[in-house]
Amino acid sequence: DTGVSQNPRHKITKRGQNVTFRCDPISEHNRLYWYRQTLGQGPEFLTYFQNEAQLEKSRLLSDRFSAERPKGSFSTLEIQRTEQGDSAMYLCASSLANYMQETQYFGPGTRLLVL
Amino acid sequence: GENVEQHPSTLSVQEGDSAVIKCTYSDSASNYFPWYKQELGKRPQLIIDIRSNVGEKKDQRIAVTLNKTAKHFSLHITETQPEDSAVYFCAWFHDSSNTGKLIFGQGTTLQVKP
Repeated sequence: DTGVSQNPRHKITKRGQNVTFRCDPISEHNRLYWYRQTLGQGPEFLTYFQNEAQLEKSRLLSDRFSAERPKGSFSTLEIQRTEQGDSAMYLCASSLANYMQETQYFGPGTRLLVL
Repeated sequence: GENVEQHPSTLSVQEGDSAVIKCTYSDSASNYFPWYKQELGKRPQLIIDIRSNVGEKKDQRIAVTLNKTAKHFSLHITETQPEDSAVYFCAWFHDSSNTGKLIFGQGTTLQVKP
């Protein structure tokens, strides 16, 4: 499968615990995005990387959230001291950003439930 | 501002009828407008997109129109089939030096009745 992959697909955790999600983009894609989707809503932008540089972070991304893309390939999203309001689907997307090529391809998501 | 309004929120049609979903955006610098289809429990999948240098694009039963003056774009599905039932999201993309995000609409739940 050469598409975007995410692990784990599901995560149940207790409030206050830390969780980390991984995203593997399509191999030649230089841009990687994280979105959050709650039930009945469209995806909301969290942050994005061009290669290894994190170029933008949403105001939704509190200090408890951190994302990395150390070698410009896979990315991790960590949530510290989880809260029940963090329960959502976390989607990763990647794109090959050059002129006229901005299509973002989404992974299957990681569904987080904070008890 | 960063806003997309999507209408209607739900749409029910008979198989074979057409469905139209409309989105209005706020940033006149927007240059790329994709539409995603999301089935229950699955990832959003791109079904069609349009760039600001064209007014209409068609792919078999699916078409998208763009009116930059009015800042709205629409998805048209003709000859609907039950497998078209899903949630559809419009989005806009503004690529500046440090902004690469998609802003999504609230979604339209399309139900195609056999």
